[in-house]
Amino acid sequence: EIVLTQSPGTLSLSPGERATLSCRASQSVTGKLAWYQQKPGQAPRLLIHDASSRATGIPDRISGSGSGTDFTLTISRLEPEDFAVYYCQEYTSSAWTFGQGTNVEIK
Amino acid sequence: EVQLVESGGGLVQPGGSLRLSCAASGFTFSSYWMHWVRQAPGKGPVWVSRMYNDESSASYADSVKGRFTISRDNAKNRLYLQMNSLRDEDTALYYCARRSGSGGFYDTWGQGTLVTVSS
Repeated sequence: EIVLTQSPGTLSLSPGERATLSCRASQSVTGKLAWYQQKPGQAPRLLIHDASSRATGIPDRISGSGSGTDFTLTISRLEPEDFAVYYCQEYTSSAWTFGQGTNVEIK
Repeated sequence: EVQLVESGGGLVQPGGSLRLSCAASGFTFSSYWMHWVRQAPGKGPVWVSRMYNDESSASYADSVKGRFTISRDNAKNRLYLQMNSLRDEDTALYYCARRSGSGGFYDTWGQGTLVTVSS
């Protein structure tokens, strides 16, 4: 089973600041990695797939990068609606796994 | 509008059974692999089960293998999850999710149905 480790667990930032979230895989997932945003009481929402492709309707201030085992989600300038929990997910194994999440909170 | 709506959750005693249902609309259901994903309170999502679009194959997480059965009715645009021998650790919000046609990620999620296993 592939284990995804996200860091940091919590990121305390102010609106307008840059957020950098990390996801590290226990073995290579090539580029088969997605990022989701989840707000309280809501289902996860797809942001990024194939490591760096934005999903439909996702603003260009949100970007993904990386390959192999190390991936990054970057939000260039935090907007109020960006404060949420973010999960990475791999889809190369037979049991797609998620990371434990990074909570981006208002400082 | 693409939509997934789950139902069937509730409170059940350990060892009991529940059947979850997911109603799909706004897309050609029979063209997509469909999955169940669960999320325990305060935890990340966890994949549970998937079924190919043509009902030919199903897969399960080790934690539910032999207890849960996924099925679908493409004529009714519905996905199901029969859960037997439920345990405390099965307590979670259960989501129905659509695998994207272009990759292994989930492009559509339902709102979830809560399953609570407790005596």
